[in-house]
Amino acid sequence: AQSVTQPDIHITVSEGASLELRCNYSYGATPYLFWYVQSPGQGLQLLLKYFSGDTLVQGIKGFEAEFKRSQSSFNLRKPSVHWSDAAEYFCAVGAKLSFGAGTTVTVRA
Amino acid sequence: NAGVMQNPRHLVRRRGQEARLRCSPMKGHSHVYWYRQLPEEGLKFMVYLQKENIIDESGMPKERFSAEFPKEGPSILRIQQVVRGDSAAYFCASSPRESNYGYTFGSGTRLTVV
Repeated sequence: AQSVTQPDIHITVSEGASLELRCNYSYGATPYLFWYVQSPGQGLQLLLKYFSGDTLVQGIKGFEAEFKRSQSSFNLRKPSVHWSDAAEYFCAVGAKLSFGAGTTVTVRA
Repeated sequence: NAGVMQNPRHLVRRRGQEARLRCSPMKGHSHVYWYRQLPEEGLKFMVYLQKENIIDESGMPKERFSAEFPKEGPSILRIQQVVRGDSAAYFCASSPRESNYGYTFGSGTRLTVV
């Protein structure tokens, strides 16, 4: 069965600092991996996705993620966060999108 | 070019009533997926539909829940005899083909059962 674990429920980061969100997956084959962002009261927006090829994936809004098969991880990173990055972030795996429980990011001035 | 449209945005129902949630996919998208988000949780897959067909309903509760995607009109998620535990955000997503290249999500319907 496919599943995703996001170990961090809540992360607080200072504006301008770097951000890394962890995602570990369980999947029987080569996974389809995704990161979505959800702002309060809004739907989900796709940040980036990985299907195959280069294991470092570039997404929108300055985000990137690295697929590491040996660690079953797909961590999301941003070198310098902006106040507008405060949101909830979801990692998902598979064609039907099995989502993790999400990580809430708070950005302090 | 409108995105995925869901309505209503907020829906309040008393216990025992019916809730109907509507989803209009993006233009050109013939595949629709419904997800439920309970408080403090991630989204859970419910059902996958194509026009006039239910492809995968493995995430749907066995009773009271049904979904359809008619040839004309929006996809409907129907919850009969709602209970407090049905209170959640329900999201619809659409894609142009069966393979998942990243769905487009609507803004959701927030159902509150009182």
